Amino acid sequence: DTEVTQTPKHLVMGMTNKKSLKCEQHMGHRAMYWYKQKAKKPPELMFVYSYEKLSINESVPSRFSPECPNSSLLNLHLHALQPEDSALYLCASSQGITRAPQPQHFGDGTRLSIL
Amino acid sequence: AQSVTQLGSHVSVSEGALVLLRCNYSSSVPPYLFWYVQYPNQGLQLLLKYTSAATLVKGINGFEAEFKKSETSFHLTKPSAHMSDAAEYFCAVSSTSGTYKYIFGTGTRLKVLA
Repeated sequence: DTEVTQTPKHLVMGMTNKKSLKCEQHMGHRAMYWYKQKAKKPPELMFVYSYEKLSINESVPSRFSPECPNSSLLNLHLHALQPEDSALYLCASSQGITRAPQPQHFGDGTRLSIL
Repeated sequence: AQSVTQLGSHVSVSEGALVLLRCNYSSSVPPYLFWYVQYPNQGLQLLLKYTSAATLVKGINGFEAEFKKSETSFHLTKPSAHMSDAAEYFCAVSSTSGTYKYIFGTGTRLKVLA
């Protein structure tokens, strides 16, 4: 059983839709991450939150908007996505980002398809 | 800049045979290293990590890896492959300062033959 829970598991949306991905962890971790993973590729980092503040944005297009309402919850708001945004979106968490080493714990992801 | 190279995008072994998945890193200082496994339609699961405490690291599911500074390698091994080991394996290096971001290798798909 994964300790990082992501919902929904699958999402199909049109290019004009607005949707959100949700990630939750109850391990007391203070860092949370969003990754994008295309088929047969490694995960690509998108955003990092540390203590509920955005710490890293890897030059992600503004059609992806992250939000961290509290230390256990991470959202990714989607709007006006493109077909190339279809991918597996993974959430991860770790104890922190300034004390190493901190293994990241991953959820099972949301498989997103853009029509 | 740090980087990690996984030699062999696909590796096939017979059930019961030795598993060897290769990972080489590039770093000016000893990094932190991790091996993850990804089963189909799942996220990444941590197999083991190197934190400079011991060069031979034992992980879950019978896997282990040895950190060799002279070879800048952190190869993953398992003495006897099981059908359930078939998956994608990623080696990752973490930066040793700042925000400790992961840099992933390109992955190795392990196939286990009956």
